[in-house]
Amino acid sequence: SAVISQKPSRDICQRGTSLTIQCQVDSQVTMMFWYRQQPGQSLTLIATANQGSEATYESGFVIDKFPISRPNLTFSTLTVSNMSPEDSSIYLCSVDRARKQAFFGQGTRLTVV
Amino acid sequence: AQKITQTQPGMFVQEKEAVTLDCTYDTSDQSYGLFWYKQPSSGEMIFLIYQGSYDEQNATEGRYSLNFQKARKSANLVISASQLGDSAMYFCAMRELNTNAGKSTFGDGTTLTVKP
Repeated sequence: SAVISQKPSRDICQRGTSLTIQCQVDSQVTMMFWYRQQPGQSLTLIATANQGSEATYESGFVIDKFPISRPNLTFSTLTVSNMSPEDSSIYLCSVDRARKQAFFGQGTRLTVV
Repeated sequence: AQKITQTQPGMFVQEKEAVTLDCTYDTSDQSYGLFWYKQPSSGEMIFLIYQGSYDEQNATEGRYSLNFQKARKSANLVISASQLGDSAMYFCAMRELNTNAGKSTFGDGTTLTVKP
């Protein structure tokens, strides 16, 4: 199984500020995925991060709001920019293993006040 | 487009009994994978079980089994001998393997409560 270290595990942030979430994987992976889970809801894919190219964003998510970095095959960051209370969610990174398994980081529980 | 439907917002089960969580899906792809995850109150997503569209046998992992009925497009999770620690949110997810590689679509989830 893949080990994904995600941090911070939780944070309380002031509106208008930005938070960068980090994910470190214990082995090289081609694609990393970032999801948002709003309170009481399911997971929604924000973007797919490939090493060496720009992230691919899903409908409703834009790079200015959620910039992503993927400097190498084991690491990625997601920044939530200019936060508002509506950004309060759990943010999760995920990687695949042989398409039959998908592993998630521990999640970042973000509260914007 | 792929879609996952979980029609049970909440389920209750007595400890030590079995419970079935429903999941139906829709896809036009012939090659896809179905997943179940457990999310406890801590928020982490725990992978439970996987079923490939071409797998002939239903997947099993310990107390978890997947009742895969391809013609009906259903992939129900069966948890046997429920334990108090099974109380959590459960998500069904699907990934089309020929396209959108790696991107998963999730259902709305089912909250399972195990009663002592």
